[in-house]
Amino acid sequence: DAGVIQSPRHEVTEMGQEVTLRCKPISGHDYLFWYRQTMMRGLELLIYFNNNVPIDDSGMPEDRFSAKMPNASFSTLKIQPSEPRDSAVYFCASTEVLDTIYFGEGSWLTVV
Amino acid sequence: SQQGEEDPQALSIQEGENATMNCSYKTSINNLQWYRQNSGRGLVHLILIRSNEREKHSGRLRVTLDTSKKSSSLLITASRAADTASYFCATDESKLTFGQGTILTVHP
Repeated sequence: DAGVIQSPRHEVTEMGQEVTLRCKPISGHDYLFWYRQTMMRGLELLIYFNNNVPIDDSGMPEDRFSAKMPNASFSTLKIQPSEPRDSAVYFCASTEVLDTIYFGEGSWLTVV
Repeated sequence: SQQGEEDPQALSIQEGENATMNCSYKTSINNLQWYRQNSGRGLVHLILIRSNEREKHSGRLRVTLDTSKKSSSLLITASRAADTASYFCATDESKLTFGQGTILTVHP
């Protein structure tokens, strides 16, 4: 299996632009997570899905952030409009059950 | 938030020494997991211990769990420079949220 696949790996964008991060979970995994990691705040859970349904989005920082999972093999995290404080590494992860999470390599976002 | 909290925040040791990291959590759990993150990479699952287990081994890793104290420890024996990484714990009850981690540096 190829593991969790994220794209893009790196993105630099200007403040105010829309950013879309993409994730393909491991086939057969019913849970999908989006995390954000910064030096200041550590690794934060933004939102997670179970069977394509958002279960807990309490970690989504504000309305500028949205996440979708239109099918079992694809999810997006969108930031619109982006701000410099959104600069971080965004991880997608998936799991079949809540005992072993498989992480992607992350999307490094820089907003200037 | 109900994430596991790791301590110490940072640990610096010499190659060959043992490294011990601790994790505390807040609620009853079914399992607790330890993860490792190399710089610039995603987290990698190391080991899982279930609530009815007290100790578990995997290679040079040893994990203990004390449900009465709501704490766990990760011991890495005979550390190597390649063990340099950040280590995180998470529980199923916290919906796999993570603490700040322990940054381990192993000097050759």
